[in-house]
Amino acid sequence: EAQVTQNPRYLITVTGKKLTVTCSQNMNHEYMSWYRQDPGLGLRQIYYSMNVEVTDKGDVPEGYKVSRKEKRNFPLILESPSPNQTSLYFCASRRVAGYGYTFGSGTRLTVV
Amino acid sequence: GENVEQHPSTLSVQEGDSAVIKCTYSDSASNYFPWYKQELGKRPQLIIDIRSNVGEKKDQRIAVTLNKTAKHFSLHITETQPEDSAVYFCAPITQGGSEKLVFGKGTKLTVNP
Repeated sequence: EAQVTQNPRYLITVTGKKLTVTCSQNMNHEYMSWYRQDPGLGLRQIYYSMNVEVTDKGDVPEGYKVSRKEKRNFPLILESPSPNQTSLYFCASRRVAGYGYTFGSGTRLTVV
Repeated sequence: GENVEQHPSTLSVQEGDSAVIKCTYSDSASNYFPWYKQELGKRPQLIIDIRSNVGEKKDQRIAVTLNKTAKHFSLHITETQPEDSAVYFCAPITQGGSEKLVFGKGTKLTVNP
């Protein structure tokens, strides 16, 4: 089944404890993106990648890192999480010159 | 950067009525226009899209229209049903350009039985 897989689905962590949210797609998509979703603010892009080893900042990149060492994987790293990063996170992917994004199931992160 | 606005932010209709949501964008290079539907507690899903060389596209009860001159595109839902209740997002794309995307803030549609 064609899909974007995110893990974990839920995560509660403490301020300052490094964490990684994994994202993997099995559709051979070139483009991948991370979004956070907060009430009243909609979906905001954190980082995107247009190819292996090619990543760039979206609208809200502060406090996040990403890497794209393989085409299928695009992990989101929070080196020192803070409570303002409590949010619902979505990973998504799509083909070059293709259709819209296919989203993962989401990761609900709480930083206390 | 791209400015994307959606209107209205909330929309309440009676079952069987039509609903229209408008998305206005600023980047004239945008050439691909998708609409996403997000049901409560679920992921956004692509429901319909249109490319810049087409003015209208239909898929059963939903349609999308594009006005490139005025830089807006609209989602039309006819004969609404309770299962159409969701938040709808637009996010214009420039195919062949940057993947730095801006989503509209969403329109919460409620269909009352």
